[in-house]
Amino acid sequence: SQQGEEDPQALSIQEGENATMNCSYKTSINNLQWYRQNSGRGLVHLILIRSNEREKHSGRLRVTLDTSKKSSSLLITASRAADTASYFCATAPRKGAQKLVFGQGTRLTINP
Amino acid sequence: DSGVTQTPKHLITATGQRVTLRCSPRSGDLSVYWYQQSLDQGLQFLIQYYNGEERAKGNILERFSAQQFPDLHSELNLSSLELGDSALYFCASMPGDSSYNEQFFGPGTRLTVL
Repeated sequence: SQQGEEDPQALSIQEGENATMNCSYKTSINNLQWYRQNSGRGLVHLILIRSNEREKHSGRLRVTLDTSKKSSSLLITASRAADTASYFCATAPRKGAQKLVFGQGTRLTINP
Repeated sequence: DSGVTQTPKHLITATGQRVTLRCSPRSGDLSVYWYQQSLDQGLQFLIQYYNGEERAKGNILERFSAQQFPDLHSELNLSSLELGDSALYFCASMPGDSSYNEQFFGPGTRLTVL
């Protein structure tokens, strides 16, 4: 079963605008990761934020984590056509089997 | 290129058949994870191997099995295939055996069961 719920399911914006995607989860986590998937291809790791971190940056990406609300957001600034892809959050549990649990993903379309 | 390779890229077979998917992890990575991605179920964790031993199991059907060999490559065996097994199958690798770091995904094998 999917632990992560992503919102929105689909997002379409103009090139140059910022894109924000949200992820909610249910159990205690060690870390939360964001991955990108271009159509039908393998997932590419974007960023990892640990449970004791609140915000992290990587280039045009900004990730926040609110463990009290069990939620995370991914912000892509100054979007480009090449950012068109599906974005998934994945949680790593604090206890138990060490597996990533993925959300359903947000399909992002950047219009030129 | 993540350094993880999967073969074949595409596989078309009939119901009731058996197939084997192969994954070679990044050099030096001891953990291999298998995932299934389908339209209705999303991305589901199937099973993890670490240095030849099974470490974690997810929503893997009894018709499916996997193993990791001494050279660390892994195979996922799917038998008595059903239409619903049509999906993208990914493997991912990482150095250790926990999810405290990123995983590196292969390009996937697209399985179509007719």
